[in-house]
Amino acid sequence: DGGITQSPKYLFRKEGQNVTLSCEQNLNHDAMYWYRQDPGQGLRLIYYSQIVNDFQKGDIAEGYSVSREKKESFPLTVTSAQKNPTAFYLCASSILRGGYTFGSGTRLTVV
Amino acid sequence: DAKTTQPTSMDCAEGRAANLPCNHSTISGNEYVYWYRQIHSQGPQYIIHGLKNNETNEMASLIITEDRKSSTLILPHATLRDTAVYYCIAWVVTQGGSEKLVFGKGTKLTVNP
Repeated sequence: DGGITQSPKYLFRKEGQNVTLSCEQNLNHDAMYWYRQDPGQGLRLIYYSQIVNDFQKGDIAEGYSVSREKKESFPLTVTSAQKNPTAFYLCASSILRGGYTFGSGTRLTVV
Repeated sequence: DAKTTQPTSMDCAEGRAANLPCNHSTISGNEYVYWYRQIHSQGPQYIIHGLKNNETNEMASLIITEDRKSSTLILPHATLRDTAVYYCIAWVVTQGGSEKLVFGKGTKLTVNP
């Protein structure tokens, strides 16, 4: 079955550590996206990529980094520069100008 | 820079139709309107999309006004499991020419027994 997989489902990070969230899709979608969601809030765009080896900053990119070395994969690194990283992170993919398919999310907690 | 506006919350009785409005007066003629919903702590789920004709699938119906400035998502027989946040969204072209879907805060639909 085609789909988009995020791992892990839950992640705990100590302050000052970098952590990488995985996102893999086998839908042959060109575009991939990372969103952050805080309690009771909508989705805010962190980074997006419409083609391999290219990506653009979204609305809240500070403290995050991404790579797009393969079409299927778009990992997100939450760096120590992100001062308030505790949130629910969602990855999505789409054909260009098409609807999104979302992963089931990763809940990151700083301890 | 969301191109759509929705009411913050709505209530509906179980078994009745839920009608969720969305205003999108600034979308261009070739931009689809998409509807997603998000149940607590899950990834958003695609519901339906449309351009200018009314659309129906197994989940919902989408009624788009003739001038395309607004649309209504209809859940014909709402159940308790339809309680969720519903997002009406459209593509936004950035200054750099790239494209993205911009999510607003959506409508929190509560289906009551």
